[in-house]
Amino acid sequence: DTEVTQTPKHLVMGMTNKKSLKCEQHMGHRAMYWYKQKAKKPPELMFVYSYEKLSINESVPSRFSPECPNSSLLNLHLHALQPEDSALYLCASSLLYLRWVEINEKLIFGSGTQLSVL
Amino acid sequence: DQQVKQNSPSLSVQEGRISILNCDYTNSMFDYFLWYKKYPAEGPTFLISISSIKDKNEDGRFTVFLNKSAKHLSLHIVPSQPGDSAVYFCAARPGGYNAGNNRKLIWGLGTSLAVNP
Repeated sequence: DTEVTQTPKHLVMGMTNKKSLKCEQHMGHRAMYWYKQKAKKPPELMFVYSYEKLSINESVPSRFSPECPNSSLLNLHLHALQPEDSALYLCASSLLYLRWVEINEKLIFGSGTQLSVL
Repeated sequence: DQQVKQNSPSLSVQEGRISILNCDYTNSMFDYFLWYKKYPAEGPTFLISISSIKDKNEDGRFTVFLNKSAKHLSLHIVPSQPGDSAVYFCAARPGGYNAGNNRKLIWGLGTSLAVNP
């Protein structure tokens, strides 16, 4: 299994809704990521989990709440989003995220969740 | 300040010819460079990478060249095929112990490649 699986593929939510995005990988990767991507822009890093611990939070608003229940699963809980949060949300994983090791930081991305906030 | 620059937003090439996508960077501490390919409404797919200690890496139809003195890398696709039509992102990783936690990939804005039959 060499995939990162994201559900749902599409999500429409109102500004008062609470929803969750899910991500799963079974490659034994110990680093998992959430990215946000708007049209014609590169992916923008939101969070990094390393060994199920939050390693990096790129100053993301608290209306986005990540969770890593185990080494294979990553969730992103959404609450009180704004229309400008509409974007493609990408989950990715990599073997490791160690700052002092020269590794191939090849990210495997999921297909993303296209989120629309009304 | 854009540390990784892809100055051509788009490129159009005839099927069977060579596609050359360029990427310039400003940070001499980058130690690894990667190319990702992205189709609309899908996640990026890793294509090829190169370490800063090398000047060339080849994988089938894809070759990446690195010119450290010019802080420039390029991706060559030969021969180009219609299925190669996608947005190509160049990304770089800050290297060295002093990078600390700041080893996240720095992405260019992408080049949209269209390969015409």
